Amino acid sequence: DSGVTQTPKHLITATGQRVTLRCSPRSGDLSVYWYQQSLDQGLQFLIQYYNGEERAKGNILERFSAQQFPDLHSELNLSSLELGDSALYFCASSAGIQAFTDTQYFGPGTRLTVL
Amino acid sequence: GIQVEQSPPDLILQEGANSTLRCNFSDSVNNLQWFHQNPWGQLINLFYIPSGTKQNGRLSATTVATERYSLLYISSSQTTDSGVYFCAVDSGAGSYQLTFGKGTKLSVIP
Repeated sequence: DSGVTQTPKHLITATGQRVTLRCSPRSGDLSVYWYQQSLDQGLQFLIQYYNGEERAKGNILERFSAQQFPDLHSELNLSSLELGDSALYFCASSAGIQAFTDTQYFGPGTRLTVL
Repeated sequence: GIQVEQSPPDLILQEGANSTLRCNFSDSVNNLQWFHQNPWGQLINLFYIPSGTKQNGRLSATTVATERYSLLYISSSQTTDSGVYFCAVDSGAGSYQLTFGKGTKLSVIP
C-alpha cells in the first residue's frame, strides 16, 4: 500500500460528459502528479501541483484541469469527454517541490470508460 | 520530439537469473526515470537517474547521458519482479513533456 488513495476505482460515463477524479496524497507529501495510461498513447504525464500551486505541466489537454486544495488532496476534472479519453488515470505524490526528483508513490488508479 | 526506445520488448527469465534492460533516447535529457508496473497494474517509481549510477537492493541503474542510454539491472530475479518496466525522459529547459518508452515486459518464472 503506497498510502496514496484515489476515488472512484471505476467510472463509466458517456461522451460529452464531465467527471472529477480525486486523489489524496501520502501523509506529509506536498506534491501531487497526474498521469494517464491508455492503450493508444501509453503512459503520459499530465500535471504536477505542489502545495496548491501548479508546478509542471505535461501533455494535459485543454479540456482537462486540475487543482490541489489546502488539505493537499487533488482533483482532476475531465470535460467534454471523448471515446479516446478512456484510460487509467494515476495519481502520485512526493515530498519535494521539484518535479520528478523525489520518489513518486502511486495510487491504484481510476479506470475511466467513456461510452 | 525526443524518441525513447526500450529493449528488449519481452524477456522471460528463470527465477534467480540476472537481466539488463536498456533505454535509448534520441536527445540530451535532464530527467530520466525508471518505473515498474506489476501485473496488477500498480506503478512503482524505481529511479530518478539523469546521469550516473544508483542502486536499490537488487536493482541498479546506470545512465550514460553523453551516449544517450540508460540500463536497468535486475539481479537474482524473483517472481515479484514480473511486470513492465518503463523508462521516461524529458529534455529539460523548462519542458515537462515527459516521454515514456513502450516498456520491457519481464516474466520471471519459478
